[in-house]
Amino acid sequence: GENVEQHPSTLSVQEGDSAVIKCTYSDSASNYFPWYKQELGKGPQLIIDIRSNVGEKKDQRIAVTLNKTAKHFSLHITETQPEDSAVYFCAASRVGDTDKLIFGTGTRLQVFP
Amino acid sequence: DAGVTQSPTHLIKTRGQQVTLRCSPKSGHDTVSWYQQALGQGPQFIFQYYEEEERQRGNFPDRFSGHQFPNYSSELNVNALLLGDSALYLCASSLTRTDTQYFGPGTRLTVL
Repeated sequence: GENVEQHPSTLSVQEGDSAVIKCTYSDSASNYFPWYKQELGKGPQLIIDIRSNVGEKKDQRIAVTLNKTAKHFSLHITETQPEDSAVYFCAASRVGDTDKLIFGTGTRLQVFP
Repeated sequence: DAGVTQSPTHLIKTRGQQVTLRCSPKSGHDTVSWYQQALGQGPQFIFQYYEEEERQRGNFPDRFSGHQFPNYSSELNVNALLLGDSALYLCASSLTRTDTQYFGPGTRLTVL
């Protein structure tokens, strides 16, 4: 069935360092890949997304890359700050078909000052 | 511009009871999806409503049902509550089943 694997489950970095979170999806028909940040007691907040016709997308300190052949996509955060500390979720879906988001298991990122 | 809102924030029920959760979508959005998020896990898709009809459903039993109103707001109903139904219930809205889904803050349901 449809599945999204996410690694690592926890990630600790020093402020100013980079953080990378990786996901692998199983459904080759997936064409939309959003990333969400979830802070304690809050709902997931969309931070960046990428579609299958694009290999890379950047928004200030955040970038996402997609390798359709390998069915991998990754989130890159540069110059991390303490306020980046949260749980990050990747997801995959088939837009225009099922639309439902299949989520990874989450990565708890801690940025130490 | 108001984002997605959900009510109530927290809810405590006992086994066997029934519960109704409510969601108002982001302004201009007409599609509502519901997700269940157990502690320490990613959200799991329950179902999606568009044009007042259930369009898709995840692997959840018939105890989970929903409704969408003409103003696009939605309700999630869960009957015969089980301990395992304790979770954060998230509502997400989008524009006419396009890709980007925006989540509300969730309703924390505790079943005792």
